[in-house]
Amino acid sequence: EIVLTQSPGTLSLSPGERATLSCRASQSVGSSYLAWYQQKPGQAPRLLIYGASSRTTGIPDRFSGSGSGTDFTLTISRLEPEDFAVYYCQQYGSSPPKYTFGQGTKLEIK
Amino acid sequence: EMQLAESGGGLIQPGGSLRLSCAASGFTVSNNYVTWVRQAPGKGLEWVSFFYVGGSTSYADSVKGRFTISRDNSKNALYLQMNSLRAEDTAVYYCARVNIGRSYAFDIWGQGTLVTVSS
Repeated sequence: EIVLTQSPGTLSLSPGERATLSCRASQSVGSSYLAWYQQKPGQAPRLLIYGASSRTTGIPDRFSGSGSGTDFTLTISRLEPEDFAVYYCQQYGSSPPKYTFGQGTKLEIK
Repeated sequence: EMQLAESGGGLIQPGGSLRLSCAASGFTVSNNYVTWVRQAPGKGLEWVSFFYVGGSTSYADSVKGRFTISRDNSKNALYLQMNSLRAEDTAVYYCARVNIGRSYAFDIWGQGTLVTVSS
């Protein structure tokens, strides 16, 4: 079973700064099957990135994803006040079909 | 607009059973893959179950043998039958659509329903 480890656990930054969030897998993940989600308090998660680097509809271009193999990154180029939230990475494995989430990175206002 | 709405959560004693429902609108569950995800209070996301190709199902090890995912195409709804509930099953349960064209990511989520397992 693939384990996803996100770092840091908490990231304290100011609006306008650049955020870099890491997701490391215990074994190689098919790049097509790595996604990132944003979750705000009291809300359901929202899909940001799929296929490691593709933004889903309506996601601003300040959000970008990259990586392959075991190391993936979510970058927010210039933080807006609404970006402070918890971010999760997720991988899908097809044999057998199963999903794994990372433990999350909390992005908080400094 | 495509939406999902969960219902059926509540307080249940350990060992009890509960069935969660998820009503879909704006798309059909029969033509889509759908899934359940849960989140314990103050914790991260945990995938629970997945309804995929040809009506096949898949479960997390933590719920296998106790939970059953099903759907009713006539009602355009997804269900999660939860038996032998334990305190560690306490969580908000979300249903979500799996978008095959988005690399099997979860692109539509419901608002969640809270299940509390406690005596």
